[in-house]
Amino acid sequence: GQSLEQPSEVTAVEGAIVQINCTYQTSGFYGLSWYQQHDGGAPTFLSYNALDGLEETGRFSSFLSRSDSYGYLLLQELQMKDSASYFCAGYFNQAGTALIFGKGTTLSVSS
Amino acid sequence: DAGVIQSPRHEVTEMGQEVTLRCKPISGHDYLFWYRQTMMRGLELLIYFNNNVPIDDSGMPEDRFSAKMPNASFSTLKIQPSEPRDSAVYFCASSHTGDSNQPQHFGDGTRLSIL
Repeated sequence: GQSLEQPSEVTAVEGAIVQINCTYQTSGFYGLSWYQQHDGGAPTFLSYNALDGLEETGRFSSFLSRSDSYGYLLLQELQMKDSASYFCAGYFNQAGTALIFGKGTTLSVSS
Repeated sequence: DAGVIQSPRHEVTEMGQEVTLRCKPISGHDYLFWYRQTMMRGLELLIYFNNNVPIDDSGMPEDRFSAKMPNASFSTLKIQPSEPRDSAVYFCASSHTGDSNQPQHFGDGTRLSIL
């Protein structure tokens, strides 16, 4: 079946740069999204990549390499409010329009 | 525009009781998704609808779970009878189209505790 793997936890300090990696099974894959979820809150959409390369949105960027079955979310100029869980989520042909979520990476930003 | 609205926000009930979770998607969105989130299993898709029609319910854990979408502005997820292992946060999400570049907009979730 389809699955995505990402680290369970990442820690960093304010002002730093952090990269959250995501690997996925190739079969039927056609796009990768990233969502942010603050503790107790709703997941919110950050970015989407269908093609190889980097997509930049302010302090956040997302990258995809289809040949490596790999993507990452890059967070720059970290702030305390960036402490949250980050989920990569894949679109696969077999799942139609449904997203398959990774287990999430908890980012803790300290001062 | 109002976001996805879920009710109730919290539900505590005893096992064996019927539980009904409600969702109002964003107006104009054609797709509605129900997810369940637990520490062990993460965020799992239960079922999704396109234009009020269930498309894929393969994620519904068992016959105790059922979902309906009687019109474009309302959906329910029902558990009958409920069991302690159903305790989780249940999210509803909607998207404008089924295209993969369309973000899914999540509601604030229903935190369900079955005693």
